[in-house]
Amino acid sequence: AQKVTQAQTEISVVEKEDVTLDCVYETRDTTYYLFWYKQPPSGELVFLIRRNSFDEQNEISGRYSWNFQKSTSSFNFTITASQVVDSAVYFCALSEAESPGNQFYFGTGTSLTVIP
Amino acid sequence: GAGVSQSPSNKVTEKGKDVELRCDPISGHTALYWYRQRLGQGLEFLIYFQGNSAPDKSGLPSDRFSAERTGESVSTLTIQRTQQEDSAVYLCASSLIVASLTYEQYFGPGTRLTVT
Repeated sequence: AQKVTQAQTEISVVEKEDVTLDCVYETRDTTYYLFWYKQPPSGELVFLIRRNSFDEQNEISGRYSWNFQKSTSSFNFTITASQVVDSAVYFCALSEAESPGNQFYFGTGTSLTVIP
Repeated sequence: GAGVSQSPSNKVTEKGKDVELRCDPISGHTALYWYRQRLGQGLEFLIYFQGNSAPDKSGLPSDRFSAERTGESVSTLTIQRTQQEDSAVYLCASSLIVASLTYEQYFGPGTRLTVT
């Protein structure tokens, strides 16, 4: 079973629209970490955010915001007023602190295209 | 500060030949990961090294794949008798793990392997 599900394979929005990328995770650990990464067309994965399971505060960084809800096992990512430079593939990932090893489980990614 | 570096950036090889891919992690990062990313696909976990612990090889797709890491530094991923299905981008990442706290992974630019 997938530990991280990103149900949206591809999304297209027009510039300046807001867009939310969904991420649902599955774990039995009480201590875990969630991450978002951006992979622009250049290919190199860029770290965006890390969140631990004990911190449910939503976070905002410029046009980016993250909504972590343990009740629904979701860690959604919203881009406000999207720009063409936001076009990329976005990956959500989970790391379980209590399971052996420190493997990261990545979702299959959501490809975002922002149309000018 | 230097990030994760990988070499070569591109490798074209003939089917049946062996290849060796190199990863230099960020200094001080005890954890090192290898992933494979086929065109348009997500990240496929291959192997994980953490300090002096035995590596987690659970993601290696066949016995043609092996990896080594010298202490907490350089790692090499070796693919023997390459097949066309090995064509992909091979990504290396490193992260800090302190007292069981898992920090974000930082990715290298990848090695694009093409098997002809």
